[in-house]
This record gives sequence, structure tokens and C-alpha cells, in this order.
Amino acid sequence: AQSVTQPDIHITVSEGASLELRCNYSYGATPYLFWYVQSPGQGLQLLLKYFSGDTLVQGIKGFEAEFKRSQSSFNLRKPSVHWSDAAEYFCAVTTGTASKLTFGTGTRLQVTL
Amino acid sequence: DAGVIQSPRHEVTEMGQEVTLRCKPISGHNSLFWYRQTMMRGLELLIYFNNNVPIDDSGMPEDRFSAKMPNASFSTLKIQPSEPRDSAVYFCASSSSRRTGGYTFGSGTRLTVV
Repeated sequence: AQSVTQPDIHITVSEGASLELRCNYSYGATPYLFWYVQSPGQGLQLLLKYFSGDTLVQGIKGFEAEFKRSQSSFNLRKPSVHWSDAAEYFCAVTTGTASKLTFGTGTRLQVTL
Repeated sequence: DAGVIQSPRHEVTEMGQEVTLRCKPISGHNSLFWYRQTMMRGLELLIYFNNNVPIDDSGMPEDRFSAKMPNASFSTLKIQPSEPRDSAVYFCASSSSRRTGGYTFGSGTRLTVV
């Protein structure tokens, strides 16, 4: 069965600093990978997704993620964080868009001014 | 596109009462998912449907929980009788097996059972 690990429960960065959130997945074949963001009291918004092709994917709000098969990772990055990026970030994996989406436990991002 | 629509946004009910949560998926999406989010357990998949047929309900915690999808544009999640430990945010999501888009989530229903 597929699984996702987000090793960092909580990360604090200064506004303007770069950000990398870690995600490791477990799945035998090539997975479909996603990053979602959730602001307090809100639903989940899709930041970006990887299905195939270029392993560096661009998303909304200036985020990008890189799929590394050798490391079973799909880390999320942003070169310069804004205070509005403070939220909870979830990595997720599935075997296909008609299959269940399995989420990691999330990483809470705090941004200091 | 109005997105995935869930109702109600908030529900407060007394223990033992029946609760029904509703979801309207995005038109054209043929898969629908019900998730529950709590602090302790994170995001858990309860059940999902493909083409209105339940595929995997292994995440439904107990017989008190049931879900239906009578047509492609509507689904319900029912809890009867409700218990305080059912308090959580319940999300509905939809996706299409025919397109490489993501899963779109609704805004959720915050359920409080007192």
C-alpha cells in the first residue's frame, strides 16, 4: 500500500528566506504526487502535481517541487517565503486519479517577520 | 465552475442524533471521496466512489457511518447515531479518471457532537 512521510511537523522561516518541505513516499511503481496547502479553517488547495514527464514541476503561488525517484522524494520549495504562506502543507500520493489519495501528516509552516 | 460544494458548513448536534452531510462534486468528475480530518488522526479516507459505485469503504469507522451516491452529482455521508468522538471536519473531494487534474476538495463540514 502507498504511504507518505512528512518528517517535519513544524517549520519556522523568516519572511524572504527560502523554504523546503520534505516528503517521502512509498509505492512500488511511479506514483502520482501532490502538494496541498490548508489555511486555518479552510479546505485544501492544490499547489502542484506530478504525474509524469519533467521531474521539476511548477505550481501556484511561486512553489515548485522536484520528483526524485532514487530518493522516493517529492520535496516542495519556494525561493522566497511571504508571510501569507503560513499554513499547513500536505503531501499526498495516489496510484491513479480514480484511486484514493493518501496524505502525509502535514507540516505546519510559521513565517516570522 | 463552482467547485465541490459541501453543506452544511457547520453542524452542531447532540449525541445520539442523526447527522447528514452533503456533497455536490464537480460536473464531469467521476470519482468522489469522503475524508475526515482530526488533530489526532490527520486526514483519513472514509470511502470513495467511482461512477457512483462504492469502491473502498474500509475507512468507514463503524456501522454508524454510511454513504450513498445516488447519482453523479450528489453524495451523502450519514452518521446515526452520532457520538462526541465523531466531531471532526469532513471533506468531500472529486476527481476525473479521464483527465490529469488534481483532486478538488470542498470547503468541508465542521461537525461538533455534544
